[in-house]
Amino acid sequence: SQTIHQWPATLVQPVGSPLSLECTVEGTSNPNLYWYRQAAGRGLQLLFYSVGIGQISSEVPQNLSASRPQDRQFILSSKKLLLSDSGFYLCACKRSSYNEQFFGPGTRLTVL
Amino acid sequence: EDKVVQSPLSLVVHEGDTVTLNCSYEVTNFRSLLWYKQEKKAPTFLFMLTSSGIEKKSGRLSSILDKKELFSILNITATQTGDSAVYLCAVSPLNYGGSQGNLIFGKGTKLSVKP
Repeated sequence: SQTIHQWPATLVQPVGSPLSLECTVEGTSNPNLYWYRQAAGRGLQLLFYSVGIGQISSEVPQNLSASRPQDRQFILSSKKLLLSDSGFYLCACKRSSYNEQFFGPGTRLTVL
Repeated sequence: EDKVVQSPLSLVVHEGDTVTLNCSYEVTNFRSLLWYKQEKKAPTFLFMLTSSGIEKKSGRLSSILDKKELFSILNITATQTGDSAVYLCAVSPLNYGGSQGNLIFGKGTKLSVKP
């Protein structure tokens, strides 16, 4: 079964600073990868998904971007953080021919 | 617009009670419905349902899907304090394609089990 790693676990950043969150997956090849954000009191919002290296689809326009430089690596970035970027960021993985998504441990981001 | 609605938003019960959590959906070309449990961090997968009327069961948890009425329920019997969590329902629409497998999540039901 796959294992999903995310780091850092928590992050406090000032407004206007850059961001880089990393997600890596073990135990599977060519997975679909997803970035979600969960704000307090709200559901999971899909930000980006990727079906392969270099292939990124954005679900919600905002100041975040994503990249997939390797098959099992997914990166979430921002050039300048906003207060509204605070939240719990989750990376998820889906193996091809399966429908279940499995989640990493998440990164809690606070923008001050 | 595809959407998933869960009810109630929060629920407080005592140990030993039985609870039923609801999930209704409106989605184009339904493929499957999934339930997750989220404690302090990442959601953990519970069930995936694709066919009506077939109950999925794991210990004290069970779930069933009604594709005609577009809803699912998650039952928890003999609740324990360890069942306290947010329970998330998600739907996978077929029009997102088998390769993407995108999920649409509800806002969740926060269950608190008191000793």
